[in-house]
Amino acid sequence: SQTIHQWPATLVQPVGSPLSLECTVEGTSNPNLYWYRQAAGRGLQLLFYSVGIGQISSEVPQNLSASRPQDRQFILSSKKLLLSDSGFYLCAWSVLAGAYEQYFGPGTRLTVT
Amino acid sequence: AQSVAQPEDQVNVAEGNPLTVKCTYSVSGNPYLFWYVQYPNRGLQFLLKYITGDNLVKGSYGFEAEFNKSQTSFHLKKPSALVSDSALYFCAGYSGYSTLTFGKGTMLLVSP
Repeated sequence: SQTIHQWPATLVQPVGSPLSLECTVEGTSNPNLYWYRQAAGRGLQLLFYSVGIGQISSEVPQNLSASRPQDRQFILSSKKLLLSDSGFYLCAWSVLAGAYEQYFGPGTRLTVT
Repeated sequence: AQSVAQPEDQVNVAEGNPLTVKCTYSVSGNPYLFWYVQYPNRGLQFLLKYITGDNLVKGSYGFEAEFNKSQTSFHLKKPSALVSDSALYFCAGYSGYSTLTFGKGTMLLVSP
């Protein structure tokens, strides 16, 4: 069966510090991978998605970036965090793009102080 | 492009009563629609999806959803609510690119 991991689970970082969040998927090959942010409240904002190694599409221009160095690894980064980067970050995968369900990881709670 | 709307921020229901969480969609072409549930501080869990076929779709934990093309709706239903069903529910639709578009979410509160 497939599993998706995210770490760390929680993170408190000062403004201006760098960020690296990692997501890995087990039990499948060549998944589509996604990064979402959920601000306080509820709405989900798609940040990045990837259909293959080295292929990243950005949905929202901001001070975050994403990389996919391996088939089942997806990394969210920032060089300098802003207060507005606080939120709940969710990684997800799907078998194919489009009309296929996405499966979500447990999330990372990021607080920028 | 496709969009989905969840008109209710919160739905309150007593345990044992039927529940409905509403979702409407806007799309050109065939809609692909999904329901997810999120418990506090957890990731989203997939409940069910409509791609084509029967208008009544059955999913996990006793949930089902009814696709209504004339009303452009995809409401989530359960015949008898449990307190443990209390959570945040998201409707989502295929946006025509490579991604899903999510509604803003509806908080379901089931009282004992």
